[in-house]
Amino acid sequence: NAGVTQTPKFQVLKTGQSMTLQCAQDMNHEYMSWYRQDPGMGLRLIHYSVGAGITDQGEVPNGYNVSRSTTEDFPLRLLSAAPSQTSVYFCASSRLETANYGYTFGSGTRLTVV
Amino acid sequence: AQTVTQSQPEMSVQEAETVTLSCTYDTSESDYYLFWYKQPPSRQMILVIRQEAYKQQNATENRFSVNFQKAAKSFSLKISDSQLGDAAMYFCAYRYSGGGADGLTFGKGTHLIIQP
Repeated sequence: NAGVTQTPKFQVLKTGQSMTLQCAQDMNHEYMSWYRQDPGMGLRLIHYSVGAGITDQGEVPNGYNVSRSTTEDFPLRLLSAAPSQTSVYFCASSRLETANYGYTFGSGTRLTVV
Repeated sequence: AQTVTQSQPEMSVQEAETVTLSCTYDTSESDYYLFWYKQPPSRQMILVIRQEAYKQQNATENRFSVNFQKAAKSFSLKISDSQLGDAAMYFCAYRYSGGGADGLTFGKGTHLIIQP
C-alpha cells in the first residue's frame, strides 16, 4: 500500500517555465488537496477536490491550476513559475467520511524557482 | 475565518523531561476538530493526536497528551519523557467538522529541540 505518492521530490525551475507536480493515492480517497509550506508560515491550502471532476480553490490558489480526471490522481500545475512559488508542496488525502480523523500526507516536493 | 496561533517558534527540553507546546485558535464554530502534526527532518507530516471539540476529555496517545480548553480556545500538547526522536517541527491544526471539503488550517509551527 503506497499511500500518497508525490513526484518529483525536488525540482528547480527557471522563472516563466511551467511544470506539473504529481500526486497519486491508492486508498480510494475522495478528498485530495494541495498545500504549500513556506518558512515561518505553516501549511496553506492551495486547491482541493472532493472527487473526480470537482475542484475548488483554497487560501492561496493564484498561479496554480488543478484538475481531477480520476479518483487516484490530483496534479498541480504551475503555468508560469515565479520565485514567489519557491516552496515545499504537500499533497494530502482522506475519505470524506473520515476527514475529521486527519489526512494522509505525501512526502512533499521541494520546488525552487530561480 | 479561523486562525491558529503557535506563539513559541522554538522550544528546547532535556531528554526525559516534559515539555508543553502552546496553541490557540479562533473560530465562531462550536463543532470542530483539532490536531497536532509532527514534521521531522524527513519532511513527512505525521499525525500525533486529535481532539474532538464536543469531547471534554483530553486526548492521550502514549507519551503525548493535550490540554483542551474550549472556552479559552486553547489546545496545548504535552510530551512526557521526551526522546531524541521527538525532535521535529510541531504544527497545530484546526478543521471545521461541518464542511465536508474544508481543509486544515495550520499554525506556523514550533521547532522542538531535544537536548541529550
